[in-house]
Amino acid sequence: GAGVSQTPSNKVTEKGKYVELRCDPISGHTALYWYRQSLGQGPEFLIYFQGTGAADDSGLPNDRFFAVRPEGSVSTLKIQRTERGDSAVYLCASSLLAGKDEQFFGPGTRLTVL
Amino acid sequence: AQSVTQPDIHITVSEGASLELRCNYSYGATPYLFWYVQSPGQGLQLLLKYFSGDTLVQGIKGFEAEFKRSQSSFNLRKPSVHWSDAAEYFCAVGGLEYGNKLVFGAGTILRVKS
Repeated sequence: GAGVSQTPSNKVTEKGKYVELRCDPISGHTALYWYRQSLGQGPEFLIYFQGTGAADDSGLPNDRFFAVRPEGSVSTLKIQRTERGDSAVYLCASSLLAGKDEQFFGPGTRLTVL
Repeated sequence: AQSVTQPDIHITVSEGASLELRCNYSYGATPYLFWYVQSPGQGLQLLLKYFSGDTLVQGIKGFEAEFKRSQSSFNLRKPSVHWSDAAEYFCAVGGLEYGNKLVFGAGTILRVKS
């Protein structure tokens, strides 16, 4: 079956612009996670959804970052007024339920802010 | 603070030699422990996981890991490394004590020499 997909695979933008990153989880997975991986680092948690609601957004670095999951499936991570420090690979993962179930990761979106 | 330490940034082993990658976590009475592998341009793939029970867990590709509560460690091992094992390996901790999200270490890059 299809795994987690993320679009676009690469995004280059200019400082100050707005970007949207999309995640399609595995069908039937109720939990969806966003992580950010900077060069030479492990993934860092941003936010996770259980269903449509954000269960924990404590990892979002500031109010320029926002994520939605309106129908409990596809999620969009939105970044306003991008800064060069936002450049990283943004990873999405999904699991059947939050907690014990394995998180399956997508290939990531590489964001470059010039 | 919740943290995972992988003390070795790079490890080089000869093909056919044994391998041990170290991982320590900061706290938790009942952590869920994971090892993921990431090849260049690929997403994170789960190698193995520990939730409870037998402290020696077997994973895919001939890997195993041992949970030692007294040392807060979850080291990954393989008796005989293959050239295709060259990749970056991440240890992660999750579970209720970690808010159902994964906290990753910084990763260990494995190089295999022939």
